[in-house]
Amino acid sequence: DSGVTQTPKHLITATGQRVTLRCSPRSGDLSVYWYQQSLDQGLQFLIQYYNGEERAKGNILERFSAQQFPDLHSELNLSSLELGDSALYFCASSAGTGNVEPQHFGDGTRLSIL
Amino acid sequence: LAKTTQPISMDSYEGQEVNITCSHNNIATNDYITWYQQFPSQGPRFIIQGYKTKVTNEVASLFIPADRKSSTLSLPRVSLSDTAVYYCLSSYSSASKIIFGSGTRLSIRP
Repeated sequence: DSGVTQTPKHLITATGQRVTLRCSPRSGDLSVYWYQQSLDQGLQFLIQYYNGEERAKGNILERFSAQQFPDLHSELNLSSLELGDSALYFCASSAGTGNVEPQHFGDGTRLSIL
Repeated sequence: LAKTTQPISMDSYEGQEVNITCSHNNIATNDYITWYQQFPSQGPRFIIQGYKTKVTNEVASLFIPADRKSSTLSLPRVSLSDTAVYYCLSSYSSASKIIFGSGTRLSIRP
């Protein structure tokens, strides 16, 4: 058990809809990272938050947004969903900003767009 | 962005030692080398991390030559439960430069 909790585990919705994925980091960790894993593209880094502030940005679409709350949990919002957004979305956490620290991953949210 | 290159797949047998080599020609001075393991429908799990020479923990060893342009993950006496995808990462100096790549799909046979 990594200590990182993601909800929901599965989400099925339709094109054009909006969903929110939630992540609770490991106790004591201040950084949260979001990744997208599609079948044919591997793990893609989306965005990192550290103690409530955006820290680094990867290949995150404008239709996607995220935030980290004072209690350090994070939410990833996906809007105007398209079929291609179907993927596993992982959240990871680490202790600080130093990106040499190992990341601890949750078991992901599987998003299916019909 | 720095990129790593690893074999797409490897096969081995229970009880054998498995070595997976990763190439990271453009590694930066401040970058570390990190390996993760991922089982189907689970998040990646940290295995080992190093900067140079050799690092060993309870599950694996990591060998890094002096030029740091490659690294080798060594799994001693593998079992069926080691069947997974293994990712090598460098470019750790900034999260925005994290590239997982396609990983190495390791299959262990009885």
